[in-house]
Amino acid sequence: NAGVMQNPRHLVRRRGQEARLRCSPMKGHSHVYWYRQLPEEGLKFMVYLQKENIIDESGMPKERFSAEFPKEGPSILRIQQVVRGDSAAYFCASKQLTATWTQYFGPGTRLLVL
Amino acid sequence: GESVGLHLPTLSVQEGDNSIINCAYSNSASDYFIWYKQESGKGPQFIIDIRSNMDKRQGQRVTVLLNKTVKHLSLQIAATQPGDSAVYFCAELNSNSGYALNFGKGTSLLVTP
Repeated sequence: NAGVMQNPRHLVRRRGQEARLRCSPMKGHSHVYWYRQLPEEGLKFMVYLQKENIIDESGMPKERFSAEFPKEGPSILRIQQVVRGDSAAYFCASKQLTATWTQYFGPGTRLLVL
Repeated sequence: GESVGLHLPTLSVQEGDNSIINCAYSNSASDYFIWYKQESGKGPQFIIDIRSNMDKRQGQRVTVLLNKTVKHLSLQIAATQPGDSAVYFCAELNSNSGYALNFGKGTSLLVTP
């Protein structure tokens, strides 16, 4: 019974490059959330998705960031033209459609922008 | 704006003692609260949750207390063990208006032998 999977676990990019972060939810979970965590801070909500549908992207920066959760395959968080301020840990969480509001988190992707 | 905050950034306890981690929230509409444990280099791990229609909930070695009057949440860990050393986050959600968990900054718990 695998938990939430994220890859890569660590990603290094130079300024201006693109970062693609992947998340596979727990089996049976159809809702995916992305959060960002800066050092020594709590997690900040970015986006909430269901299959083929963005439900809430109120925490997503308006430019350079996008997210998708296709019918098949993992959810993708894409950051274009990365800047040093994008360096952070990015966590994906998933939950069941009709279960409680409990979200289960993956191990995260640590993005370092040089 | 609305926020969730923790009273103390660090807490040091001796192995075997009980630990109490506190959390204050400001959104009176929040109706769901969760405690997460995060070890270094890992994702947040669910510990226990509580809905606003309850004031206490117990798990294995952990108890969450909710005081809606003063908007305060606490996590009690009984017989703290070295493996409990981690950062603990409280998170809250208003299930009627949003989907995102609002996290506090975290309390670092250090268990000494």
